[in-house]
Formats: sequence, C-alpha cells, structure tokens
Amino acid sequence: AQSVSQHNHHVILSEAASLELGCNYSYGGTVNLFWYVQYPGQHLQLLLKYFSGDPLVKGIKGFEAEFIKSKFSFNLRKPSVQWSDTAEYFCAARLVNDMRFGAGTRLTVKP
Amino acid sequence: GAGVSQTPSNKVTEKGKYVELRCDPISGHTALYWYRQSLGQGPEFLIYFQGTGAADDSGLPNDRFFAVRPEGSVSTLKIQRTERGDSAVYLCASSWDINTGELFFGEGSRLTVL
Repeated sequence: AQSVSQHNHHVILSEAASLELGCNYSYGGTVNLFWYVQYPGQHLQLLLKYFSGDPLVKGIKGFEAEFIKSKFSFNLRKPSVQWSDTAEYFCAARLVNDMRFGAGTRLTVKP
Repeated sequence: GAGVSQTPSNKVTEKGKYVELRCDPISGHTALYWYRQSLGQGPEFLIYFQGTGAADDSGLPNDRFFAVRPEGSVSTLKIQRTERGDSAVYLCASSWDINTGELFFGEGSRLTVL
C-alpha cells in the first residue's frame, strides 16, 4: 500500500540550531511531494512542494527540501530555527488523485 | 470567502446519532477533499470530489460515512449511527484542480462522540 513515513515523532531544538526532518514515501510512480505545517491553533498550510525539475526546492520562511529519488526521500531542512517555527510538520505525497500524509513531526524550539 | 470554511467547528454528539459536517471551499476550486485527523496522527484520506462527482471514495471507513457535493461547490460529510471511534477532527481541503496538487485546508470540524 502507498504510504508516507516520518521518522521523528517529536523534535526539540534550541533557537539557531539546524533542522532536518525525515520523510520517506513508498509510491512507485511519479509523485508530487509536499511539506505542510500546522502552527498551534491554526490550519494546515503549505511550506513547499516538489513536482519536477531541481530536486532542491525552497519554500517559505527559509525552509527547503531535497527530493532524492533513489532513496524515496523528501527531507525538510532549515539552517537555523526560530522559536516561531514551533509547530507540527507533515510530509505528503500525491500520486494522481491519491494524496497521503505522514503521521507528522512535532517541532518544539526552545528560546 | 477568502479561505475554506468548515462548520460546525465543534460538534459533540451521542453514540448512535446522525451528524453532518459542512465544507465551503474556496470559490472556483473544482477539487475538494475530506480527511480525518486523530490525535497524534496525520490527516487520513476519506474522499475526493472533482466537481460534483466523487472521484475516489476509497478512504471512507464503512457505509456509515457518506459525502455529497451536489452543485460542485459546498460539500457535506454525513455520518450515520456515530460511534466513539468516529471522534476526530474532520478536515476539508480544496484545490483549483487535481493537477496543481496544492491543497488549501479549512480549520476542521472537531467531532466528539460520547
């Protein structure tokens, strides 16, 4: 079955630390990949997306993600996190109509 | 409206009751998705509409769940004979069309079945 896996359930960092959140998908065909963020009390918002082309995609708020086809991965990165990045992060993969989400990673950034 | 609107934001009901959850997508968006999110989990796909028709309802857990979108805009998710296990946040999302991929989410309807 098609699925999306996020390796970290809860990540705690201090401000200015670097961030990498893992995401792997099991789809076999051409997939579109996404990272969504959910700030406390808010709805899901798109951080960035990959459809094709340059496998390193840049999103809002200094986030980026790299698509590595051979590893079926789409890890999210940020060089220096801020307290305001505290949120839940969801990786998603879409194959035609089927858009699936990972279980999410809660990020807590300590000031 | 400016975003995806979902009502009610909170619904508490008793086991066995019928519930309707409404989603008003962004104007002009032809694709509409319903997801369910339980505590500590990611959104779980339920059903997807392209226009008025349900293009994929493979995520509906059983025949107690049904969704409609009669005019290709507003959608209603209907749950019959609710069970405690149906308690979750029900998310609606819309998109310009299936090929753009980006989904715009509403704030969700939190359903609690006592």
